[in-house]
Amino acid sequence: SQTIHQWPATLVQPVGSPLSLECTVEGTSNPNLYWYRQAAGRGLQLLFYSVGIGQISSEVPQNLSASRPQDRQFILSSKKLLLSDSGFYLCAWRGAGANVLTFGAGSRLTVL
Amino acid sequence: TQLLEQSPQFLSIQEGENLTVYCNSSSVFSSLQWYRQEPGEGPVLLVTVVTGGEVKKLKRLTFQFGDARKDSSLHITAAQTGDTGLYLCAGASRGSTLGRLYFGRGTQLTVWP
Repeated sequence: SQTIHQWPATLVQPVGSPLSLECTVEGTSNPNLYWYRQAAGRGLQLLFYSVGIGQISSEVPQNLSASRPQDRQFILSSKKLLLSDSGFYLCAWRGAGANVLTFGAGSRLTVL
Repeated sequence: TQLLEQSPQFLSIQEGENLTVYCNSSSVFSSLQWYRQEPGEGPVLLVTVVTGGEVKKLKRLTFQFGDARKDSSLHITAAQTGDTGLYLCAGASRGSTLGRLYFGRGTQLTVWP
């Protein structure tokens, strides 16, 4: 069966510090991978998606970047965090031919 | 502009009551999904509806996809405290090859004992 892991689960970082959130998927090959941000427990904003290794598409311009160094690994990064980067970050994957997303448990980021 | 509008935003009811939440759009979707999210966790898929007019039942939950595939509703019968959570609808756009889902802002449901 497929599983998706995100870490860390929670993170408190000062403004201006770097960020790295990691997401890995098991039990599937060549998944489509997504990073979402959810502010204040509300709707999900799509940040990045990837259809393959090294292929990243950005939905909104921002202070964040994403990378996919391996087929089942998706990383969300920032060189210098802003206060507005605080939020709940969710990684998700989708199998070929499906429109259903499976989400990870999320990473709660607080920037102080 | 929010492609999918969910209403109400907040709903607080007593155990045993019935409720309906709505997901509306002016756009047509090839499919629509409902997710439930609990605090500190990722959303979990409840159901996918594909055909206009389709009705799906999941125990006490009834999901309906509008005839024109622009809207959906979720009806819960005899709500229980375990139904508490954020209910999100998400629509898949026609012709999307990337699995692009558009999410509503969600309905926060609280069921009191």
